[in-house]
Amino acid sequence: DAEITQSPRHKITETGRQVTLACHQTWNHNNMFWYRQDLGHGLRLIHYSYGVHDTNKGEVSDGYSVSRSNTEDLPLTLESAASSQTSVYFCASSIVPGTGELFFGEGSRLTVL
Amino acid sequence: SQQGEEDPQALSIQEGENATMNCSYKTSINNLQWYRQNSGRGLVHLILIRSNEREKHSGRLRVTLDTSKKSSSLLITASRAADTASYFCATEAFGNEKLTFGTGTRLTIIP
Repeated sequence: DAEITQSPRHKITETGRQVTLACHQTWNHNNMFWYRQDLGHGLRLIHYSYGVHDTNKGEVSDGYSVSRSNTEDLPLTLESAASSQTSVYFCASSIVPGTGELFFGEGSRLTVL
Repeated sequence: SQQGEEDPQALSIQEGENATMNCSYKTSINNLQWYRQNSGRGLVHLILIRSNEREKHSGRLRVTLDTSKKSSSLLITASRAADTASYFCATEAFGNEKLTFGTGTRLTIIP
């Protein structure tokens, strides 16, 4: 079955370290998104991509970067982790931008000490 | 900034009762979607309603949309313990193809 997987599911890191969260989908969807989920804020969009080599900033992109070298993967990198980036991160994909459902991964819980 | 705001933030009902949660948003939209999130899991799409629709059904789910009031409601009929989850509305605004999520309603079904 097609799916979207995130790794790692849990990670603890230290302030200032670089961290990469992986997202891999097998639906061949062009559109991929990264959200972070925090209590009281719901889900906020970090970065998104509508296809290979396309990346765009979302609502809370500062301190994060993404790259899209193939259809299946959209890794999220925290260049220098900060305690404010402690959160649960969700990757999602969709067939058509904004006009259909998003398919979500199971999430990656990141703690920055 | 948050486009959708759900109300109530938390809701507890007895199994078999109906659950209603509401979503208000700020700008004109193309569509509104509802998602469910079980504890520790990713979000799962439930239903999408377009701006030119007023009501939509899917199984035990009924969604209404009032664009004049910029609000939507999700009704779950004959609730079951398995419906215990957080529910989020998400909106796609005109000219902005990205989904913006609300803060969610946490629903607890008491057996």
